[in-house]
Amino acid sequence: DIVLTQSPALAASLGQRATISCRASQSVSTSSYNFMHWYQQKPGQQPKLLIYDASNLASSIPARFSGSGSGTDFTLTINPVQADDIATYYCQQTRELPRTFGGGTKLELK
Amino acid sequence: QVKLVQSGAALVKPGASVKLSCKASGYTFPVYWVNWVKQSHGQSLEWIGEIYPNSGATKFNEKFKGKATLTVDKSTSTGYMELSRLTSEDSAIYYCTRRAYSGDYFDYWGQGVMVTVSS
Repeated sequence: DIVLTQSPALAASLGQRATISCRASQSVSTSSYNFMHWYQQKPGQQPKLLIYDASNLASSIPARFSGSGSGTDFTLTINPVQADDIATYYCQQTRELPRTFGGGTKLELK
Repeated sequence: QVKLVQSGAALVKPGASVKLSCKASGYTFPVYWVNWVKQSHGQSLEWIGEIYPNSGATKFNEKFKGKATLTVDKSTSTGYMELSRLTSEDSAIYYCTRRAYSGDYFDYWGQGVMVTVSS
């Protein structure tokens, strides 16, 4: 299985940039496609799609969220961080079955 | 609008089975894969498997083969997951999700259902 590694927690200040990383144990990209997606989960809620195919913003997601990367290294950026962004963020790969998720990065306020 | 509404929380005894439901609305149910995801307490997410309502075709995470059975009822736009031979390891929140039509990601999620296995 493809293992996705995320830092467990990240502290950020309101109004500043937060960068969340996800590293895959093997490439999740092809020459034309990045099979990496990002979800946000707030306490007591279901996950919500933020970014698909590494860099595409999902419907109704604010433009302060962005994604980048290819191969094995991917990044979710929130700029500027707002209080409503305090949540846990998960990356997911769908390059191979089984689809796998990272361990999640909990975004906290500094 | 798209909605996935899951059945209520379940308390079940070890060794028993439980069948969870996921009622879809706001889209053409038969042509979107329905996926199921497990989240153990405070832990990350695990993909269980998926089913294509139009054909009944399924794909599973090897880890959940023999544990989870996926079915659908197209007449009611409802997906089901039955978990068998339950142990404490099966205590978790289970989500149903919709896989996007033209992409391999989950664009809508149900609210989740907590399953507690206890005697």
